[in-house]
Amino acid sequence: AQSVTQPDIHITVSEGASLELRCNYSYGATPYLFWYVQSPGQGLQLLLKYFSGDTLVQGIKGFEAEFKRSQSSFNLRKPSVHWSDAAEYFCAVGAGGSNYKLTFGKGTLLTVNP
Amino acid sequence: NAGVTQTPKFRVLKTGQSMTLLCAQDMNHEYMYWYRQDPGMGLRLIHYSVGEGTTAKGEVPDGYNVSRLKKQNFLLGLESAAPSQTSVYFCASSYSGTSRDEQFFGPGTRLTVL
Repeated sequence: AQSVTQPDIHITVSEGASLELRCNYSYGATPYLFWYVQSPGQGLQLLLKYFSGDTLVQGIKGFEAEFKRSQSSFNLRKPSVHWSDAAEYFCAVGAGGSNYKLTFGKGTLLTVNP
Repeated sequence: NAGVTQTPKFRVLKTGQSMTLLCAQDMNHEYMYWYRQDPGMGLRLIHYSVGEGTTAKGEVPDGYNVSRLKKQNFLLGLESAAPSQTSVYFCASSYSGTSRDEQFFGPGTRLTVL
């Protein structure tokens, strides 16, 4: 069975600073990987996804993520954080490409200081 | 185009009471999902549906029932609510069951069982 670990429960950064959120996965085959964002009181929104090909994936809102098979990681990055990026971020792994086999991480809460 | 909507937004129940959560989508999606979100747990799949008239169990189905009588609606029922079912419930939908098709999430229903 697949699993996802987000090592950081809570991260605080200053506005304008760079951001990296960590995600490690466990899955026997090539994983389908996702990052979702959840703003306060809202549902989840897909930021980006990786299936195959280029290991650097561009997403919405200026986010990118890099798939590193050797490290079983799919870290999310943004070069300059805006106050509106304050939210909870979830990494997820899909098994066999099925939408009903998504496993979510426990989330990382991002606080942005002015 | 409302996307995915959920009714109600908040609800408080007493132990043993029953209720139904309604999810509606206007995107003509075949697949629909019910998740629960608990602090520090990420999202866990309760039940899902691959089309009108069909339902299947997810990771944590016990204590819940679902129905998909119409393509656009997916109902989640609690026959006898328990405090352990206190959670935030999210509905999602996707065009197909493959992970290549994004899941669109509703805003959530916050349920408290006393």
